[in-house]
Amino acid sequence: ELKVEQNPLFLSMQEGKNYTIYCDYSTTSDRLYWYRQDPGKSLESLFVLLSNGAVKQEGRLMASLDTKARLSTLHITAAVHDLSATYFCAVDISETSGSRLTFGEGTQLTVNP
Amino acid sequence: DTGVSQDPRHKITKRGQNVTFRCDPISEHNRLYWYRQTLGQGPEFLTYFQNEAQLEKSRLLSDRFSAERPKGSFSTLEIQRTEQGDSAMYLCASSFLNCPDNNEQFFGPGTRLTVL
Repeated sequence: ELKVEQNPLFLSMQEGKNYTIYCDYSTTSDRLYWYRQDPGKSLESLFVLLSNGAVKQEGRLMASLDTKARLSTLHITAAVHDLSATYFCAVDISETSGSRLTFGEGTQLTVNP
Repeated sequence: DTGVSQDPRHKITKRGQNVTFRCDPISEHNRLYWYRQTLGQGPEFLTYFQNEAQLEKSRLLSDRFSAERPKGSFSTLEIQRTEQGDSAMYLCASSFLNCPDNNEQFFGPGTRLTVL
């Protein structure tokens, strides 16, 4: 059974600092997704990573995928308060794609002034 | 361009009652998914459709749960004889078949169910 683990689960950081969230998974996959969720809201798609070595950047966030290590990272550069949210990684291991996503527990990020 | 919509947004019901939720996917998206999310956890897969065909169901989907997508457009999720453990956020998502290697799923706002 696929397991997706994120760490840390809780992250409190100061504005302007850098940090990395890790997502590792137990079964081979080359399709990994990052989502953001604000309290009481739904999930917003951030990044789609579809191959080994894939790197995507949007603003202060950068995501990467190492399929051999079964690890993805979400790096935060010079954090700002608006980045406070819960971040989920999700993995698709279906043979034909288009099936279920298995989510990690989420990393609750708080950026303090 | 409208996103995924869900109705109702909130539902409070008494234990033992039946409830039904509706999801309207993004137009042209022929894959539709249902997930359940409890507080402090990531979403858990329940079931998914490709057009009107239900292709996969999680073992989380007990016989009290049934989902349909009769015309390949909107979908309904019904829970019969609700239990307090059914209290959760029910999320619907959709994706586009023509991107076979990209299963980027777009989520609706969710229906929050509270069973008293």
